[in-house]
Amino acid sequence: EAGVTQSPTHLIKTRGQQATLRCSPISGHTSVYWYQQALGLGLQFLLWYDEGEERNRGNFPPRFSGRQFPNYSSELNVNALELEDSALYLCASSLGKIAKNIQYFGAGTRLSVL
Amino acid sequence: KQEVTQIPAALSVPEGENLVLNCSFTDSAIYNLQWFRQDPGKGLTSLLLIQSSQREQTSGRLNASLDKSSGRSTLYIAASQPGDSATYLCAPWGGGSQGNLIFGKGTKLSVKP
Repeated sequence: EAGVTQSPTHLIKTRGQQATLRCSPISGHTSVYWYQQALGLGLQFLLWYDEGEERNRGNFPPRFSGRQFPNYSSELNVNALELEDSALYLCASSLGKIAKNIQYFGAGTRLSVL
Repeated sequence: KQEVTQIPAALSVPEGENLVLNCSFTDSAIYNLQWFRQDPGKGLTSLLLIQSSQREQTSGRLNASLDKSSGRSTLYIAASQPGDSATYLCAPWGGGSQGNLIFGKGTKLSVKP
């Protein structure tokens, strides 16, 4: 069974551009979470989608947005890129918003903003 | 607001040692807590999940304990191996958060042969 898959593996953009990151959850999982791991800052929660709806977002500006498709895959969009957006972006999926369920992580997308 | 602290930040041990990684969290109203492993530049691998009603979980050489009332969890690694070298992260679920995990900054473990 395939795990959480993220694409692309690496993404290089320049300041002011837009970046789109993609995530496919484990089959049967309806919840998708996005986290940012910037150097020295640890993992920060970005967004949580479940059943196509945004359930919660972390303390990030509105230029970080996303959506979840009917097949439960998800996109994270970052507009007006800034240098400090350079980070590893991790996606996780789980069997829905039940506390007992483990979040499984993908390998991440490394975004570099030049 | 949930805050997670992991001590030590880094640890270097010779192969074969038993070791303990510590995690503390400020809001004890959690549903569960996960321990993860992260290799450099990679994603996270879930190691253990402890429900709030449990006190311990074991998987092979790993044992995690949870004392919810005192806001503490420990990860015990027995007979450490060089392949255990990685950053270990703990993340409680709940305690004011809404679905997302709150991560500590991790303990970077180096096991020397």
